[in-house]
Amino acid sequence: GENVEQHPSTLSVQEGDSAVIKCTYSDSASNYFPWYKQELGKGPQLIIDIRSNVGEKKDQRIAVTLNKTAKHFSLHITETQPEDSAVYFCAPRDTGRRALTFGSGTRLQVQP
Amino acid sequence: DTAVSQTPKYLVTQMGNDKSIKCEQNLGHDTMYWYKQDSKKFLKIMFSYNNKELIINETVPNRFSPKSPDKAHLNLHINSLELGDSAVYFCASSQGVTNEKLFFGSGTQLSVL
Repeated sequence: GENVEQHPSTLSVQEGDSAVIKCTYSDSASNYFPWYKQELGKGPQLIIDIRSNVGEKKDQRIAVTLNKTAKHFSLHITETQPEDSAVYFCAPRDTGRRALTFGSGTRLQVQP
Repeated sequence: DTAVSQTPKYLVTQMGNDKSIKCEQNLGHDTMYWYKQDSKKFLKIMFSYNNKELIINETVPNRFSPKSPDKAHLNLHINSLELGDSAVYFCASSQGVTNEKLFFGSGTQLSVL
C-alpha cells in the first residue's frame, strides 16, 4: 500500500505570510494528488488537486506543485488569512487499493 | 441542502452496546465510504461501496458491518462497542470507483464509556 508522510505536523505563520506543506508518497503509479482542508467540527473538504501530467496548479491564493521523480507534492498558501487556520491533509491515490491514503495532517495556525 | 448528511452528530454510549450511524448523499454519486478519524486526526478508510456492492473492506473488526440499501445510503452498524471504538466517523461519497473528489459529511463523534 501507499506510504504517505506529511510535514510539518504543525505550522504557525503570521497573517499575510506564506505557508508550505509537503507530502511524500511511495506509490510510483499514483496519478492523482489532492489536498483537503478540515475546519474544526467539520469533515475534510477538497481545496485543490493535481494530476500526474501537470507540474503545478493554482487557484487564487492556493497552489499545488508536483515532483513525480522525487515522489512529493506540496501545498502553497500565499497571503494567509485567519480563516486559513485548519488541518490540511494530502491524500495521494493508492492505485493498488483504489483508494485515497490520507497523510497525518498539518495543523496550520494563522496569527492575526 | 446538505450534500452528504450523517446522523447522529454525537453518540455517547456504554461499552457492549450496539449502535448505528446513518449516511445519505443527494449528489447522485455511485460510491460511498466510511472513514474513521482517531484522536490524533489520522483518517483511515474502513469500507467503500459502489452501487450497493462492497468494493473496499479494510482490516476492520467483524463488529463493524456496513449496509447499503441503495446507492444514496450507507449505514454503519457497530456491535459490542469497545472503548477503542471512540473516534469520529465520517461518511463520504464520490462520483465513481476511481475514488477522486471525495465529499465528506460533517462526522459522527462516537464516545464509548
